Amino acid sequence: DAKTTQPPSMDCAEGRAANLPCNHSTISGNEYVYWYRQIHSQGPQYIIHGLKNNETNEMASLIITEDRKSSTLILPHATLRDTAVYYCIVRSSRGTGGFKTIFGAGTRLFVKA
Amino acid sequence: NAGVTQTPKFRILKIGQSMTLQCTQDMNHNYMYWYRQDPGMGLKLIYYSVGAGITDKGEVPNGYNVSRSTTEDFPLRLELAAPSQTSVYFCASSYGTPTNTEAFFGQGTRLTVV
Repeated sequence: DAKTTQPPSMDCAEGRAANLPCNHSTISGNEYVYWYRQIHSQGPQYIIHGLKNNETNEMASLIITEDRKSSTLILPHATLRDTAVYYCIVRSSRGTGGFKTIFGAGTRLFVKA
Repeated sequence: NAGVTQTPKFRILKIGQSMTLQCTQDMNHNYMYWYRQDPGMGLKLIYYSVGAGITDKGEVPNGYNVSRSTTEDFPLRLELAAPSQTSVYFCASSYGTPTNTEAFFGQGTRLTVV
């Protein structure tokens, strides 16, 4: 699985959009981009994933560049409860490893009132 | 709607003691995983299983053992606890199909070895 690079921390004002970047320049054609978050010391929580096209769900939007070397997670209206560590993960859908993948240090997002 | 359940939530062990961290899931997922997370760090994979009777090592397997006798359960065993094993342990499960799937995590077991 390709490795990812994320900024260690970011701030965002409550009610504003939070844009979290991720670089995955070594991503290969069959690898998906996943985003998870971890609030305080709870178990990581799935947010969204995508392959090539931009994706949106009730939690967030995922924008993947055309060359797929980077992506941005967008929380459209951040709230204080969105303060968490956000992990960008790249993993293949092939093989027998399932979700045997690498979680880096992530981005610590602080949403401020 | 239990999902992935881990027990215990907290445990203090003395050096050299042994214990088993329990993990069970009710989603009929074939894949299960054990991760550890040290303070301020990401998650590291200890062991994983692709189905009952099959287990394999992850990044940091030393000092741990696992078994997978049923689809639902994936216990993690520490035989001789060491201070370096002080960490938060997360169990997760997923479908292991060729299509993209998400992993579901338990709430963690916080282990301290003194």
